Amino acid sequence: EVQLVESGGGLVQPGGSLRLSCAASGFTFRSYWMHWVRQAPGKGLVWVSRVNSDGSTTTYADSVKGRFTISRDNAKNTLYLQMNSLRAEDTAVYYCARDGIAVADDAFDIWGQGTMVTVSS
Amino acid sequence: DIQMTQSPSSLSASVGDRVTITCRASQSINSFLNWYQQKPGKAPKLLIYAASSLQSGVPSRFSGSGSGTDFTLTISSLQPEDFAAYYCQQSYSSVTFGQGTKLEI
Repeated sequence: EVQLVESGGGLVQPGGSLRLSCAASGFTFRSYWMHWVRQAPGKGLVWVSRVNSDGSTTTYADSVKGRFTISRDNAKNTLYLQMNSLRAEDTAVYYCARDGIAVADDAFDIWGQGTMVTVSS
Repeated sequence: DIQMTQSPSSLSASVGDRVTITCRASQSINSFLNWYQQKPGKAPKLLIYAASSLQSGVPSRFSGSGSGTDFTLTISSLQPEDFAAYYCQQSYSSVTFGQGTKLEI
């Protein structure tokens, strides 16, 4: 079964750090670009970051640039999001998603179940 | 940045109705437009990619159209399981989602 499973969420104080993980299974992880998308409670979807298949190219939303780092370990079939200098407005469910449609860049065909990050003192 | 505006923000409909949701981009995005369905507490699900291509496994009552700046998602005959939130997403320049449309009974 094709699957993405996030972990690493939790409660963190403002200014703190957290690392999210996304474990992939059921497909050739190293062949796909991957993304992080977040959703604040009761709000819409917001794209956060993407990484290409070999990890050499990354892109970020302006709101997280310089604070978040996306990376991947293709040997471990795992995607990461290192989040530093966290703010209250980073509170959200974080989803990892696969960029899986060959004829449509940045179309997310597989999503994880999400992991909740709460930034609060 | 490209802004995506959906209308309406919420919509009440009944089983069997034909429903259309619109999405407008702040500049031309050709056909780089995808649609997602999200049910409460669940991850989004890809319905339509490249404006009009139906994702595998998605019922044929869902269809998408448009190009340039104006796009539509149509559900031809609403089923009980279709009541959810719907998001458009552009992938022409970086990635931006619309604010969502909540489809209610």
